[in-house]
Amino acid sequence: QKEVEQNSGPLSVPEGAIASLNCTYSDRGSQSFFWYRQYSGKSPELIMSIYSNGDKEDGRFTAQLNKASQYVSLLIRDSQPSDSATYLCAVNREKNYGQNFVFGPGTRLSVLP
Amino acid sequence: EPEVTQTPSHQVTQMGQEVILRCVPISNHLYFYWYRQILGQKVEFLVSFYNNEISEKSEIFDDQFSVERPDGSNFTLKIRSTKLEDSAMYFCASKAGLAEKLFFGSGTQLSVL
Repeated sequence: QKEVEQNSGPLSVPEGAIASLNCTYSDRGSQSFFWYRQYSGKSPELIMSIYSNGDKEDGRFTAQLNKASQYVSLLIRDSQPSDSATYLCAVNREKNYGQNFVFGPGTRLSVLP
Repeated sequence: EPEVTQTPSHQVTQMGQEVILRCVPISNHLYFYWYRQILGQKVEFLVSFYNNEISEKSEIFDDQFSVERPDGSNFTLKIRSTKLEDSAMYFCASKAGLAEKLFFGSGTQLSVL
């Protein structure tokens, strides 16, 4: 089983709709979870972090975490063409010594005007 | 706003040559990382660095790769003898603490001819 899994997409939604992006992870010890947005040819940009079960809202973005199901999601409300990008789910595996972020393969989102 | 700085933005080299990619992490950060992304593929972890030593490295980070923090600000990635398959975007990243957010530099596009 891969450490972090995402549907590769592309996920196409019409402008103004809700885009729903999903991510599952395998390491039950993971404690912090992140969503990054990456435009083509650019570096990943952090858009949301979530540390505890439940929902976290920031503007048009809502992150949801369910540690029992090892599941993280990102909802984008009122999707705009500028939201078209690849969305990377990242999981911080904490260890006593040395740790790293593990990224999923990313989901490509296309918002159609 | 503080940012991770990478130089150069583009590097072209001949196969077998040595390259050094440079990074200046955010000043109060303690954890440093190198990632790479081959065109169209996922972001791949190379190495993490903490307390002046490598804390973790991936299978990709073989004997041809090395990292160094020569002073209090720079963090470098050296590839001793580049191969065609080393062509990729290389991202430096840093974070302040164990569970903290990871911030990326804008990347160095390495092309090995």
